[in-house]
Amino acid sequence: KAGVTQTPRYLIKTRGQQVTLSCSPISGHRSVSWYQQTPGQGLQFLFEYFSETQRNKGNFPGRFSGRQFSNSRSEMNVSTLELGDSALYLCASSLSDTSYNEQFFGPGTRLTVL
Amino acid sequence: AQSVTQLDSQVPVFEEAPVELRCNYSSSVSVYLFWYVQYPNQGLQLLLKYLSGSTLVKGINGFEAEFNKSQTSFHLRKPSVHISDTAEYFCAVTRIYNQGGKLIFGQGTELSVKP
Repeated sequence: KAGVTQTPRYLIKTRGQQVTLSCSPISGHRSVSWYQQTPGQGLQFLFEYFSETQRNKGNFPGRFSGRQFSNSRSEMNVSTLELGDSALYLCASSLSDTSYNEQFFGPGTRLTVL
Repeated sequence: AQSVTQLDSQVPVFEEAPVELRCNYSSSVSVYLFWYVQYPNQGLQLLLKYLSGSTLVKGINGFEAEFNKSQTSFHLRKPSVHISDTAEYFCAVTRIYNQGGKLIFGQGTELSVKP
């Protein structure tokens, strides 16, 4: 069974631009969560989608948004990029939206903002 | 709200020695607890989780953890480490009965195994 895939793996953008990251969950998984990982702030929860609906949202500005498609694939978008948005963005999928289900993580997308 | 504190940011240890990575959490509600490992340039992989039942949980790669409710701790242990265990380890919690899998992570502990 294929794992969680994220594209692209690396991305370089400049301040003010916008970016879209993509995540394909494990086949059959309906929940997708996004996390931001930085050296200073560690791993922080961005948002979670289940059956195309946002179920949870972390404490990030409105520049960070996401969506989920009917095939469970998810995208996250960051508009008006800032230097501080440079991070590893991790996507995780799980079977359902119950909190005891294991979340399977993808390799991440490394975003660098210049 | 929940929070997780990993008491050591870096733990150096010699190969075949035992290791303990410490994790304390704070929560006003009951939580599930997890340990994840992250190898360089990779995502996170679940080592073990505590949902209920026996407080001693065994995971993959010879790791185990003990849930201590009175001390709100969930320390990770391995009796004999290998070079390949060099990685960053994250303790995480999530509320039980929660709709959704929002994980709250600790800051991570970098385990460095030396020959």
